[in-house]
Order: sequence, then C-alpha cells, then structure tokens
Amino acid sequence: ETGVTQSPTHLIKTRGQQVTLRCSSQSGHNTVSWYQQALGQGPQFIFQYYREEENGRGNFPPRFSGLQFPNYSSELNVNALELDDSALYLCASSLAAADTQYFGPGTRLTVL
Amino acid sequence: GEDVEQSLFLSVREGDSSVINCTYTDSSSTYLYWYKQEPGAGLQLLTYIFSNMDMKQDQRLTVLLNKKDKHLSLRIADTQTGDSAIYFCAERSGNTGKLIFGQGTTLQVKP
Repeated sequence: ETGVTQSPTHLIKTRGQQVTLRCSSQSGHNTVSWYQQALGQGPQFIFQYYREEENGRGNFPPRFSGLQFPNYSSELNVNALELDDSALYLCASSLAAADTQYFGPGTRLTVL
Repeated sequence: GEDVEQSLFLSVREGDSSVINCTYTDSSSTYLYWYKQEPGAGLQLLTYIFSNMDMKQDQRLTVLLNKKDKHLSLRIADTQTGDSAIYFCAERSGNTGKLIFGQGTTLQVKP
C-alpha cells in the first residue's frame, strides 16, 4: 500500500459529458502527477501539480484540466468526453516534483 | 526524442530466473524505474537506479544499466507464480517529474 487513494474506482459516462476524478496524496508529499493508461499500453503523462501549480504537461488537449488543493490532494477534470478517453487514470504522489512517484490504484473510466 | 521500448511477453518456469529488457532513447535520463502491475491494479514501484550506477541489487531483484547502449534490464531470481504480472520500465528526464513508460512486458510464470 502506497497511501495514495483515488476515487471513484470505476465510472461510466457518455460521450460529451464531463468527469472529475480525485486523488489523495501520500502523507508528506506535495506533488501529484496524473497518467492515462489505455488498455494494453503503458501510462501516458497528462500533467503534474507541485504546490498547487501546474508543473509540466504532456500531449493532452486543454479539455484535460486539473487542480491541486492546499492539502495537496488533486482533481483531474475532463470535459466533452470522447470514446477514446476510456482508460485507467492513475495518479502518483511524490515528495517533490522530481522525486520517486508512488501510484494509487487508479480510476477506470468507461465512455459510452 | 523520448521513447522506451520493451519486449511484450516473457514466459518462464517457476524457480527459474527472469530477465526483462528495456531500451530508452533520452540520454539525459537521470533515473530509471521498474514498476509492476497486477490485473486491474495500479503500479507498484519495484526498484529504481540512478543513471550513474551500473547495477543495483535488492533481494531477488537485480537491475543492470548500460548507459552507453541505453539498455536497462531487470532480473528476478527464483521466479514465483506471484511474480506473474506486467512489468513497466520508465525513464525520468532531467529534473522534470514526467515519467516515460514502455509498453510493458507480460511475465507468465508456469508452475
């Protein structure tokens, strides 16, 4: 157990809807990174939040957005859902931006 | 560019050693990681190696790094059925937090 929690575990949405995924970081960690893992693929970096500021972004469109709160928990928001957004969404926390990342169990999003 | 390649599948007998290989392209990689993923679960950190090291051993796990060839391997000694999972190699460039993952190697351990 890493101490990183994510909610919900599973989620089903329809195309065009919006979704919010949540992540609580491990105690003492001030950085959260989000990844998208499509079926059969390795995780792809979406973005990272360090002390409530975005600190790097991968090749994802602006409809993927995030927040980090003063307690360092984080949200990933996806607007205008597309079928290809169906994936396992993983968050990872780390002591600081460039430190080892510890992953949560993930949220499985299905877009119909 | 940034790219990490792994072979997709490895099958071994219980008790044998497993060797999972990975190649990467970013010469500025500072840390390289091995994660394990069981079905339907998140990623479990197994071990990592700093780019100025050649080898790291941690119980049954041995990581070898050939920086010249940009080749990383993970050896699991005395492989058990509980080691059956997908293994991901990942690199981290410079001082960024972005991890670049390979596609994963599925390890099948036969009794």
